[in-house]
Amino acid sequence: GEDVEQSLFLSVREGDSSVINCTYTDSSSTYLYWYKQEPGAGLQLLTYIFSNMDMKQDQRLTVLLNKKDKHLSLRIADTQTGDSAIYFCAESKDDKIIFGKGTRLHILP
Amino acid sequence: GAVVSQHPSWVICKSGTSVKIECRSLDFQATTMFWYRQFPKQSLMLMATSNEGSKATYEQGVEKDKFLINHASLTLSTLTVTSAHPEDSSFYICSARGGEGNQPQHFGDGTRLSIL
Repeated sequence: GEDVEQSLFLSVREGDSSVINCTYTDSSSTYLYWYKQEPGAGLQLLTYIFSNMDMKQDQRLTVLLNKKDKHLSLRIADTQTGDSAIYFCAESKDDKIIFGKGTRLHILP
Repeated sequence: GAVVSQHPSWVICKSGTSVKIECRSLDFQATTMFWYRQFPKQSLMLMATSNEGSKATYEQGVEKDKFLINHASLTLSTLTVTSAHPEDSSFYICSARGGEGNQPQHFGDGTRLSIL
């Protein structure tokens, strides 16, 4: 199977919380990342978490890591229209970063 | 901090032309730079990894003579698509990393290449 898997699409009402889930395969990954890509643009590093952490919070963003299950999630509180984008989960592997296929977050009014 | 500038952002050219894309780290020294290709609605595909002053390491299936990479300084890497054809049309994104190991990569805004 794929190294990094995530659902392809998520639809959330404005003001609600968005939760994007991801699973990865390499238990030796040191860092796990969340990147955001807006239409026609490059990738913006949103946040990353060291593998010995369970949780990291940064303003509206909360990252949860379950290392036993190799599960990573990104929660966006109070989702806004500006959060509409593709969110890529990624794991570090050897000297590279392996990306998932991305989750397209759609905001409903 | 950690700003990566990629230029040009969009280029249209005729088949057979060679196109050069630049990737610069503006406020840090990039010991390693990466070049990716992204097809519509797809994830990023790593093409090659380059370390300053040495030859790039290409991923399997990527033609090194087709995609020439130069990383001559700690702040600049270039990708040249030689004799471009319509199938080379894509979104090319570079990233840069300072330090070693599993440090985050910081991405440029990408270059949309259209070959007519």
